[in-house]
Amino acid sequence: DIQLTQSPSFLSASVGDRVTITCRASQGISSYLAWYQQKPGKAPKLLIYAASTLQSGVPSRFSGSGSGTEFTLTISSLQPEDFATYYCQQLNSYPRTFGPGTKVDIK
Amino acid sequence: EVQLVESGGGLVKPGGSLRLSCAASGFTFSSYSMNWVRQAPGKGLEWVSSISSSSSYIYYADSVKGRFTISRDNAKNSLYLQMNSLRAEDTAVYYCASPDQLLHDAFDIWGQGTMVTVSS
Repeated sequence: DIQLTQSPSFLSASVGDRVTITCRASQGISSYLAWYQQKPGKAPKLLIYAASTLQSGVPSRFSGSGSGTEFTLTISSLQPEDFATYYCQQLNSYPRTFGPGTKVDIK
Repeated sequence: EVQLVESGGGLVKPGGSLRLSCAASGFTFSSYSMNWVRQAPGKGLEWVSSISSSSSYIYYADSVKGRFTISRDNAKNSLYLQMNSLRAEDTAVYYCASPDQLLHDAFDIWGQGTMVTVSS
């Protein structure tokens, strides 16, 4: 099974900050990686698929990069509505594992 | 409007059974594979099971293999999860989610979730 790790697990940031979250896979997954945002009590929302393609309707301040085993999610200028938990997910093989999550909190 | 609505959650004793349902609308359900994902209280997301559009391919997480059964009824636009031999660690919100092949199988449609509590 492919394991995903995320770093950091928690980060405290201010509105306007540039934020980068890293996701690492235990083996190569090409670009079969997605990023989700989840707010408390809500279902996850797809932000990015194929490692770097922005889902329709997602603000352009979100971007993704990487391939193989290392991936990043960047928020170029953090907005109040971006405080949430972010998960990566590999879609290369089954089981469709998720990373443990990164909680972005207000500094 | 594209929508997934889960139902069937509730309180069940350890060792008991429960059947979750997910009703789909607003898209061609029979063309898409479907998934169940769960989230224990205060924890991260855990993929549970997948079923292909025609039910030909089915996958389970090791944590539920042999206890849970995923199925679908394309005529009723519905997805199911039969959960047997439930354990306390199965307590979670259960989401159904639909991947899109055009999005590298990313889960772009999610239900609101249904809570399952396993406790005596």
